[in-house]
Amino acid sequence: NAGVTQTPKFQVLKTGQSMTLQCAQDMNHEYMSWYRQDPGMGLRLIHYSVGAGITDQGEVPNGYNVSRSTTEDFPLRLLSAAPSQTSVYFCASQQGNTEAFFGQGTRLTVV
Amino acid sequence: GENVEQHPSTLSVQEGDSAVIKCTYSDSASNYFPWYKQELGKGPQLIIDIRSNVGEKKDQRIAVTLNKTAKHFSLHITETQPEDSAVYFCAANGEGSGTYKYIFGTGTRLKVLA
Repeated sequence: NAGVTQTPKFQVLKTGQSMTLQCAQDMNHEYMSWYRQDPGMGLRLIHYSVGAGITDQGEVPNGYNVSRSTTEDFPLRLLSAAPSQTSVYFCASQQGNTEAFFGQGTRLTVV
Repeated sequence: GENVEQHPSTLSVQEGDSAVIKCTYSDSASNYFPWYKQELGKGPQLIIDIRSNVGEKKDQRIAVTLNKTAKHFSLHITETQPEDSAVYFCAANGEGSGTYKYIFGTGTRLKVLA
């Protein structure tokens, strides 16, 4: 029972590069979300999805794109990486208004 | 906009003592309040949650209290142990929007001193 799986765990990018953070869940949850975690700022919502084909912006969406073609997968794309996007990224899934299950995180450094 | 404030940001207690972390929320439509524990290098994990129709909930050494009138909820850990050392996050959610978005507090780093 894998739960929520994120890849990669660590990544270093150069400014201007693009990349995709992968997230997959095997719990058949409708709701998935991406957060970034920065020191002293808690977890801030980037984008979320309430089901396949439906996505919406969270609190800090600029510089990120998402898509949801299947229930299981919710990738996060950085279009042109900037040092301000250095952070730890967490993907989460939940079924309705209840417990969110988080992945192990991706530590991203943009130089 | 919606906001969740969490205090204190750091908390040190002696092993065996109690720890209390407090949060306030701004959205009166919020009706689900989870608490997450995050150990170093891992993702947050739910430790306890409470819904707005309940004032208190306990699970062994952990309890959460909710005061809807004051928009305030707290995490209580009794008989603390070294393995309780972690970062704790409170959050508030609501069904009004239908999107189940969480607003997280900024976290409390708890250190239990042996």
